Amino acid sequence: LAKTTQPISMDSYEGQEVNITCSHNNIATNDYITWYQQFPSQGPRFIIQGYKTKVTNEVASLFIPADRKSSTLSLPRVSLSDTAVYYCLVGAGGGNKLTFGTGTQLKVEL
Amino acid sequence: EPEVTQTPSHQVTQMGQEVILRCVPISNHLYFYWYRQILGQKVEFLVSFYNNEISEKSEIFDDQFSVERPDGSNFTLKIRSTKLEDSAMYFCASRGQPVDPMNTEAFFGQGTRLTVV
Repeated sequence: LAKTTQPISMDSYEGQEVNITCSHNNIATNDYITWYQQFPSQGPRFIIQGYKTKVTNEVASLFIPADRKSSTLSLPRVSLSDTAVYYCLVGAGGGNKLTFGTGTQLKVEL
Repeated sequence: EPEVTQTPSHQVTQMGQEVILRCVPISNHLYFYWYRQILGQKVEFLVSFYNNEISEKSEIFDDQFSVERPDGSNFTLKIRSTKLEDSAMYFCASRGQPVDPMNTEAFFGQGTRLTVV
C-alpha cells in the first residue's frame, strides 16, 4: 500500500475553509484515495473517496491533481464539531484492509 | 441509517483472563474486520474475515486471538489470555459487496474499550 504523509495538526476558526493535504508519492494505478474522520473514543467514519480530479459530497470536497501524488481534503465553513482527526488512506478497494496513518488533528476554535 | 454495533462498550478484565468482544455488522455486508487503537496511537488492523474464514491478519493477531461468526449475524473477537498491553479500543468494521468494485467505504462500530488490569 502507498505510504501517506499528512500534517500532524492544524488549527482553524469557525466559518473558515480548511484544506488538509496528503502526499502519496507511490500511489498505484488501481489505488483509490479515501478520507476518514475520527472523533475521540469513536470509530472512524468515511468522509469521501476519489480516484482523480475532483469529488464533492454534502460534507467535503476532494481535489486530486493529474499525477495523483497528493490529494487535498477541503472542509467548507468548519464548525467546532469538525474538531477531529482526519485520515488519508490510499489503497485498492474491494474487501482489502484499511491502513491508517497518524492522521491530522484538526482543532476548530471560536 | 444502518450501523455496526459493538458490545460491551467497556470491559475491564484481569490479566490472563479470556475476553470476547462482540459485534453485529450491517446485515448485508460481506467483509468483516477488527481493528484496535491504543490510547493516543493510530488505528491498527488486526484481521479481516470473508466467506467464513480469515482473509488476512496482521502480526498483532497472534495465537492469543481468534475470530468467529457463529450465527450469521454476530462477529466476535476472542483474546484467550489477556495481557496488559492488550488494553485498547477495539473497533469492528464491515463492508458490503461494492457496486463499484473499488469502493473502500467501511462502516465502523463505536468500539469496545478493553482495560486489562
